[in-house]
Amino acid sequence: DQQVKQNSPSLSVQEGRISILNCDYTNSMFDYFLWYKKYPAEGPTFLISISSIKDKNEDGRFTVFLNKSAKHLSLHIVPSQPGDSAVYFCAASEIGNAGNMLTFGGGTRLMVKP
Amino acid sequence: NAGVTQTPKFQVLKTGQSMTLQCAQDMNHEYMSWYRQDPGMGLRLIHYSVGAGITDQGEVPNGYNVSRSTTEDFPLRLLSAAPSQTSVYFCASGTGGPWDGANVLTFGAGSRLTVL
Repeated sequence: DQQVKQNSPSLSVQEGRISILNCDYTNSMFDYFLWYKKYPAEGPTFLISISSIKDKNEDGRFTVFLNKSAKHLSLHIVPSQPGDSAVYFCAASEIGNAGNMLTFGGGTRLMVKP
Repeated sequence: NAGVTQTPKFQVLKTGQSMTLQCAQDMNHEYMSWYRQDPGMGLRLIHYSVGAGITDQGEVPNGYNVSRSTTEDFPLRLLSAAPSQTSVYFCASGTGGPWDGANVLTFGAGSRLTVL
């Protein structure tokens, strides 16, 4: 049973508009959440993270929102750019547990159309 | 600064063959791990290590062995390859520890393995 789920395998957005990627988790012990971005033939690269003591974290065009009661987080990209086209993975962990093991969702492929 | 280096990038094996995927990092990270990526499944943890001489199993360890004799290297061994092990393998490293941000991992570029 997947503990981290990304229910939308793909998302298509027009350039300049907002992209919203969603992620749900089931393990209430998770206290740290991350988003990774992956281009074809490359490894995932860290994008943005949020600790469970916060409900929002911003970094430029990227904002992550955390709703602990709903066990849901989302990544907002505003404005979306063609270079943002990639697969986005949501990941969760318990800080300091099992070597900081990350549990990943299945990924969402974002396509930003010019 | 090379970060995390994986070799080979591509490999084709026959069922029953063995091989080793190499992983090296030059960031002096204590924590290293191996993930496999399969369509729709995201990345699943195979094995990890919190320091030289210490390894442990992840979510999908069967059919794989690891060792950690140095801080820099963390090879992944396939003992007897099976078609179910066809996947893309990623090595990742991090600082480890219980502090905020220590969970951020740096990934290698991946090794694509096909088992016929």
